[in-house]
Amino acid sequence: KAGVTQTPRYLIKTRGQQVTLSCSPISGHRSVSWYQQTPGQGLQFLFEYFSETQRNKGNFPGRFSGRQFSNSRSEMNVSTLELGDSALYLCASSLRQSTDTQYFGPGTRLTVL
Amino acid sequence: DAKTTQPTSMDCAEGRAANLPCNHSTISGNEYVYWYRQIHSQGPQYIIHGLKNNETNEMASLIITEDRKSSTLILPHATLRDTAVYYCIVRSYNNNAGNMLTFGGGTRLMVKP
Repeated sequence: KAGVTQTPRYLIKTRGQQVTLSCSPISGHRSVSWYQQTPGQGLQFLFEYFSETQRNKGNFPGRFSGRQFSNSRSEMNVSTLELGDSALYLCASSLRQSTDTQYFGPGTRLTVL
Repeated sequence: DAKTTQPTSMDCAEGRAANLPCNHSTISGNEYVYWYRQIHSQGPQYIIHGLKNNETNEMASLIITEDRKSSTLILPHATLRDTAVYYCIVRSYNNNAGNMLTFGGGTRLMVKP
């Protein structure tokens, strides 16, 4: 069974631009969570989607948003990029909400110049 | 979720067992202990999880103390490819808690030839 896939793997943007990252969960998985990893803050939870609804949200500004489609694929969007948004963005999927093991994708490395 | 405490770093000789400790003294009855590892700049990889009994899979063994206040992840025969940051996470299975993993700083395991 294929794992979690994320596209693109690497991305370079400039301040003020916006970016959309994509995540395809493991087949059959319905819950998708997003995390941001930076050297200073470590791995931090962004939000979780289940059945196309955001179920949980971390402590990030409104510039960070996401959505989930009916096929469970998810996208996250960051608007008005700042230098501090440079990070590894990780997506994780699980079978259902809350009660199942999360499996992570390889991540998207975003660099903001 | 309960907070965990792990040593910042550890060394292990190749071929020997690596024993990674984790303290979770405030764990509650419905919280599981999860272990993930992250090899440099890749997505975290799920290793193993448990509630109160010891667990073993093809990757590792998890030993949880009887009072559940601490646990040890054991890699029986460490190889150079086991060099990674290992995260111990305590996670509630309360459906209202959402599907969020709270990562600490982890233990940086260096396997040396």
